[in-house]
Amino acid sequence: EDKVVQSPLSLVVHEGDTVTLNCSYEVTNFRSLLWYKQEKKAPTFLFMLTSSGIEKKSGRLSSILDKKELFSILNITATQTGDSAVYLCALGGSNYKLTFGKGTLLTVNP
Amino acid sequence: SAVISQKPSRDICQRGTSLTIQCQVDSQVTMMFWYRQQPGQSLTLIATANQGSEATYESGFVIDKFPISRPNLTFSTLTVSNMSPEDSSIYLCSGEGGRGEEDEQFFGPGTRLTVL
Repeated sequence: EDKVVQSPLSLVVHEGDTVTLNCSYEVTNFRSLLWYKQEKKAPTFLFMLTSSGIEKKSGRLSSILDKKELFSILNITATQTGDSAVYLCALGGSNYKLTFGKGTLLTVNP
Repeated sequence: SAVISQKPSRDICQRGTSLTIQCQVDSQVTMMFWYRQQPGQSLTLIATANQGSEATYESGFVIDKFPISRPNLTFSTLTVSNMSPEDSSIYLCSGEGGRGEEDEQFFGPGTRLTVL
């Protein structure tokens, strides 16, 4: 059974700090690893990673995948209060199904 | 990217009744999925909605409790049958991204269901 473990489960920082969120996984048939941001209801897509070592970047957010060590990290630099959310890591396995981790609750204080 | 809408956005229902949730995508997608997110928990896949055939359910979910329809490539419904308070959750549908990368799933806004 595919498994996704995220750490930490929660994190409180001050505006301007840099944070690193972790996601490790076990999978039978790896297709992709995805990161989502969830503020209220719908998860918002951030990144999809399929290859090791290639950083994906969008503004202050970046992510990278290590398929040998089976983990990914999501970095957020110069955090803002609007970054406060639950960040979800999901594993894309067989039949395009996603297996989600429990998420990291990030709180950015002014 | 595909835009997904859901109806209703929220509902409060009585125990023993059923609720049908609609999911509409603004473009054709091959894969559509239904997830449940119980309070304080992450997303759990209920089933894959297959166009033209029966849905594929995950372990712990059955068709009698969560019947699903998928009449075409842009629309699906999920019914939560014979509801109990344990069914109180957010129900989300998703579709593949439509950018040619089939794993890039986008989500609808969700339906917040409360069962009394």
